[in-house]
Amino acid sequence: QQQVKQSPQSLIVQKGGISIINCAYENTAFDYFPWYQQFPGKGPALLIAIRPDVSEKKEGRFTISFNKSAKQFSLHIMDSQPGDSATYFCAARSSGTASKLTFGTGTRLQVTL
Amino acid sequence: DAEITQSPRHKITETGRQVTLACHQTWNHNNMFWYRQDLGHGLRLIHYSYGVQDTNKGEVSDGYSVSRSNTEDLPLTLESAASSQTSVYFCASSGGRNEKLFFGSGTQLSVL
Repeated sequence: QQQVKQSPQSLIVQKGGISIINCAYENTAFDYFPWYQQFPGKGPALLIAIRPDVSEKKEGRFTISFNKSAKQFSLHIMDSQPGDSATYFCAARSSGTASKLTFGTGTRLQVTL
Repeated sequence: DAEITQSPRHKITETGRQVTLACHQTWNHNNMFWYRQDLGHGLRLIHYSYGVQDTNKGEVSDGYSVSRSNTEDLPLTLESAASSQTSVYFCASSGGRNEKLFFGSGTQLSVL
């Protein structure tokens, strides 16, 4: 059972364009939604995160949009650069003391010149 | 600087053999996790620990075991390796309520 569904599986964007990756969740008990970025041969690293009490979080060229009623959230990369080429994972954290992350299936982003 | 290290980086083994992957962190984090990464499946949680002597099963724990005898280490053991366990394995650690996981660089395991 995939609790966090991520799309698309892969994405090709031209330099300067906007990259958009979408995620949907089912469990309303999730209370924290991070995005992780992974470069080839490396482990994932936290990129940006949002809590469900806000609808948008922006850090530089990276923005998370969050729609609580639709149980969806998305990552927008503005002015995409070749250095953004990586795999991106959305995730959701279960609430309570035994909190752990459930990850989406990942999106491989390629930014072309 | 604090870090999390995994060893080995690459491992080839035969079906039926016992294999142990090491994970060592110097963050002094209570929480440690093992994930496997497979194309089309993303990162799936195998086992996790919230402190010494604490271990818990994740969503894909069959065929794997962990033990936590100190804060720094969470070794992952494949009791009898199977070809279905060919994967990239990541260890991670965090403090508090897991708002930021720190991942190791991964172990590429091939079971032939």
